Amino acid sequence: EDQVTQSPEALRLQEGESSSLNCSYTVSGLRGLFWYRQDPGKGPEFLFTLYSAGEEKEKERLKATLTKKESFLHITAPKPEDSATYLCAVQGYGGATNKLIFGTGTLLAVQP
Amino acid sequence: DAGVTQSPTHLIKTRGQQVTLRCSPKSGHDTVSWYQQALGQGPQFIFQYYEEEERQRGNFPDRFSGHQFPNYSSELNVNALLLGDSALYLCASSFGGNEQFFGPGTRLTVL
Repeated sequence: EDQVTQSPEALRLQEGESSSLNCSYTVSGLRGLFWYRQDPGKGPEFLFTLYSAGEEKEKERLKATLTKKESFLHITAPKPEDSATYLCAVQGYGGATNKLIFGTGTLLAVQP
Repeated sequence: DAGVTQSPTHLIKTRGQQVTLRCSPKSGHDTVSWYQQALGQGPQFIFQYYEEEERQRGNFPDRFSGHQFPNYSSELNVNALLLGDSALYLCASSFGGNEQFFGPGTRLTVL
């Protein structure tokens, strides 16, 4: 069964303190891995899509990387406005090919 | 570009009632997916519509049904509401099977 596990569940950082969020996945053929940011009570905001191991994508202070078993979201010199829940999702080729399977997210709090 | 829009923003219903939620996809998108997100959890896939037909369905009972209109907008209907149906309902649109962009969601509370 396709599955996504995110760690840690929650992370508290000081402004400027870099760190990484982890997303481990099992899927029968990876079609794509997606990172979203979600603010409280809002819909997820699309950040990145990664398709194959070794691929990297960057956007401002965020960098996403992908291996055959996991993905990392690196946050460099975070600011308080980066505080949010970060969701990881996979899309596989087996069975229902278009649905996204989400992890439970990492709640990031950046203190000034 | 207005992005994905959903209505209403909030809704309060009582057990046993029926509810209809609405979604307009992002311009140029032809596929609409619906997700249910309980508090503290990741979104769970309900079903997906393409060319006015349900293309895929997640592990949700038949009380959950939907529709897609010729202009690609979509509705989610839930019958015989249960307390456990209280959640944030998210609509996501895409062009084919590519990146899915989410709307702001509808917060449903069942009393």
